[in-house]
Amino acid sequence: QVQLVESGGGVVQPGKSLRLSCAASGFTFSGFGMHWVRQAPGKGLEWVAVIWHDGSRKYYIDSVKGRFTVSRDISKNTVYLQMSDLRVEDTAVYYCARDLMERSVDKWGPGTLVIVSS
Amino acid sequence: EIVLTQSPATLSLSPGERATLSCRASQSVSTSLAWYQQKPGQAPRLVIYDASKRATGIPPRFSGSGSGTDFTLTISSLEPEDFAVYYCQQRSNWPFLLTFGPGTTVDIK
Repeated sequence: QVQLVESGGGVVQPGKSLRLSCAASGFTFSGFGMHWVRQAPGKGLEWVAVIWHDGSRKYYIDSVKGRFTVSRDISKNTVYLQMSDLRVEDTAVYYCARDLMERSVDKWGPGTLVIVSS
Repeated sequence: EIVLTQSPATLSLSPGERATLSCRASQSVSTSLAWYQQKPGQAPRLVIYDASKRATGIPPRFSGSGSGTDFTLTISSLEPEDFAVYYCQQRSNWPFLLTFGPGTTVDIK
């Protein structure tokens, strides 16, 4: 069955960097785009970024452009979110999710918590 | 940028009752609208995509309807496991962007 497992979260100071990973299994990873979606404590869902199935396109929400970079390693069935210049407002649970027809997401990982605090 | 609004913010119902959740887009999104269910401490789960198609494993008591700017998620008879927060979501074409609504909480009356 489809499985997505995020890792790499933790507590980090403002201005520092962190890299999240999402290991995928149970499906043909190279055939699907992958998204990152975050949820601040007690808040709603916010889409962060997407990478196309072949890595040819990447899109980001405005608030993370220039600070976050999404990438993928087909050989490891893993998608990454490199986050730099982290801000307090980046504190959230970060979910990776599998793309569904470039219109929604159909599978989600359990999430990894990122806390940005001094 | 397309904005989604959901109503009501909270819906208090009893098991067995019908739930009707609304999602309105600030401009037409055709049928590119999805609904997700999220329970406390869990990741969201896709319920409906393309406005009216049930995702894999979703029971038939869940149905979606609408097109353009007005959409509805209906749960015909609430089961105890259906009490959760429901988010609608749409995709903008340029720039590419997925946007979620603020959510509707369905809680036990």
